Amino acid sequence: RKEVEQDPGPFNVPEGATVAFNCTYSNSASQSFFWYRQDCRKEPKLLMSVYSSGNEDGRFTAQLNRASQYISLLIRDSKLSDSATYLCVVNKRGEGSSNTGKLIFGQGTTLQVKP
Amino acid sequence: GAVVSQHPSWVICKSGTSVKIECRSLDFQATTMFWYRQFPKQSLMLMATSNEGSKATYEQGVEKDKFLINHASLTLSTLTVTSAHPEDSSFYICSARVWTSGAFFGQGTRLTVV
Repeated sequence: RKEVEQDPGPFNVPEGATVAFNCTYSNSASQSFFWYRQDCRKEPKLLMSVYSSGNEDGRFTAQLNRASQYISLLIRDSKLSDSATYLCVVNKRGEGSSNTGKLIFGQGTTLQVKP
Repeated sequence: GAVVSQHPSWVICKSGTSVKIECRSLDFQATTMFWYRQFPKQSLMLMATSNEGSKATYEQGVEKDKFLINHASLTLSTLTVTSAHPEDSSFYICSARVWTSGAFFGQGTRLTVV
């Protein structure tokens, strides 16, 4: 089983649509969670951190369910510029649940917003 | 925000030659940097952790003699792909972790071995 799993998509949606991405992680000791955005042939860029209480940044809302080891990202009112691959990222825990600083990436979910 | 600069952004080399990739933290000191590799349509795979002043630690399955990492200063880590072969062609990315802010990535290096 992969440490971080995402539905690769692609998700093809019209402008203005609401779209949700899901992610599951296998290590229950993980403490830090993030969503990154990666454009074609570019480096990943941090979109937002994910907190247990849920957090929102404009049109983007992230949720974390520790019991289910599940993370989500909701994008409202999709824009053409939202077209990209969205990466679910979890920190890697070491022995004794030590924080290694390493990040484990999901495969990514590709979003294509069409006019 | 923190800035990480990676150079070169792309390189084409002949099979059997070595290629060095540099990763610099521009406005902060990074005692630890990470090197990733990404094949087309796949996720980033962690290759190794670069530690300033000590040996790098490699992930399982990554050949340390092939991918040489040097982290001689608090702002520079280098990855050298030795005796490159076509199967080493990939997108190599470095990052520095800012604990509560995730990681900041270099621009990536697209390596093509012909």
